[in-house]
Amino acid sequence: RKEVEQDPGPFNVPEGATVAFNCTYSNSASQSFFWYRQDCRKEPKLLMSVYSSGNEDGRFTAQLNRASQYISLLIRDSKLSDSATYLCVVSVYGSNYQLIWGAGTKLIIKP
Amino acid sequence: EAGVAQSPRYKIIEKRQSVAFWCNPISGHATLYWYQQILGQGPKLLIQFQNNGVVDDSQLPKDRFSAERLKGVDSTLKIQPAKLEDSAVYLCASSFPTRDSSPSYNEQFFGPGTRLTVL
Repeated sequence: RKEVEQDPGPFNVPEGATVAFNCTYSNSASQSFFWYRQDCRKEPKLLMSVYSSGNEDGRFTAQLNRASQYISLLIRDSKLSDSATYLCVVSVYGSNYQLIWGAGTKLIIKP
Repeated sequence: EAGVAQSPRYKIIEKRQSVAFWCNPISGHATLYWYQQILGQGPKLLIQFQNNGVVDDSQLPKDRFSAERLKGVDSTLKIQPAKLEDSAVYLCASSFPTRDSSPSYNEQFFGPGTRLTVL
């Protein structure tokens, strides 16, 4: 089992719709969680950190479920510009902090 | 504020050749990362520096890959000799360490990457 798993997609979603995807992690000692966004042939950029209480940033909502070991990302009123790959990142403390990256979920917003 | 700089942007070499990539992080960022991203996969951490010291190189194929950050600022990643499976984008990122020295809590800023093709 991979340490961080994501549905690769693609998720094809009409503009204006709501879309959600999850990321599961295997290490219960995981401490920090992040969503990064990566546009085609570009570098990843931080979208949002995921806090235990959940957090919202405009149309984006991130949730953490420690019991089931997954994080989620919800995008409301999706825009064409939301088309990208969304990468889940989990930090685990071993001998030092390690960041484990998922393979990403590809999202395509269609007009 | 200038971002993370990387060069070259593209490199094509034949297998068994050597190649080097350069990265200049954001000014003041003590933590520097090199990632390998193969098409369709997430970034894989190769090596992490804190200033000029190595924090984590557990996934660096040390028989062929090497990296240094001698003065704690810019860094080079070298592959010698290259294999076909090394074809990937090599991403450099930097971040501020937190007060408790847990760099993973801080946002990583990525450079544009170097796209390596090994023929």
